[in-house]
Amino acid sequence: AQSVTQLGSHVSVSEGALVLLRCNYSSSVPPYLFWYVQYPNQGLQLLLKYTTGATLVKGINGFEAEFKKSETSFHLTKPSAHMSDAAEYFCAVSGGGGYNKLIFGAGTRLAVHP
Amino acid sequence: GAVVSQHPSRVICKSGTSVKIECRSLDFQATTMFWYRQFPKKSLMLMATSNEGSKATYEQGVEKDKFLINHASLTLSTLTVTSAHPEDSSFYICSAIKQSGPNEQFFGPGTRLTVL
Repeated sequence: AQSVTQLGSHVSVSEGALVLLRCNYSSSVPPYLFWYVQYPNQGLQLLLKYTTGATLVKGINGFEAEFKKSETSFHLTKPSAHMSDAAEYFCAVSGGGGYNKLIFGAGTRLAVHP
Repeated sequence: GAVVSQHPSRVICKSGTSVKIECRSLDFQATTMFWYRQFPKKSLMLMATSNEGSKATYEQGVEKDKFLINHASLTLSTLTVTSAHPEDSSFYICSAIKQSGPNEQFFGPGTRLTVL
């Protein structure tokens, strides 16, 4: 079975500051890991994903995440926050070597202030 | 591209009525579609997996007679909330996987259901 824990339901940063959103997972099989962003009253947009290969994954809008198997983590980072980054972020895992049946974390709301 | 649409985007209905939500893959054929429910300020909860031409697979705790899912074609899946009650009010999101290519889920924009 898979599960995802996102530490911190709310994160607030200043514009231009580092963004760090934490995600830890549990999986009995090699996981596929995802980060999604959701703006108010909208669906989910894929930021980035890890399947196999390189453990540092770069996504859209300057975000990246690093898969650390030893720490069972997949934290999302962005060097410099922008006001438009304010949104809800979800980490998700799927198992069995495929994309099916995503299990989502509880989400982290990112606020960016001037 | 891989665009998924949902209709309607917002619906308000009276308690006891049924509501149908459509999920369409606009520029690809989808072998599998998923239906999620999202409560306010909460995460997405998978309700069911829908495969074209076969019965949907429901997650534990989801009433299949309450939430009827039909996946009649490779581009359309529908979710019907039967005899809706206020506790069914929620944000419903679908996603679809391409028939060809990587099995990545593409999400629709969601449907806000309010039951009075």
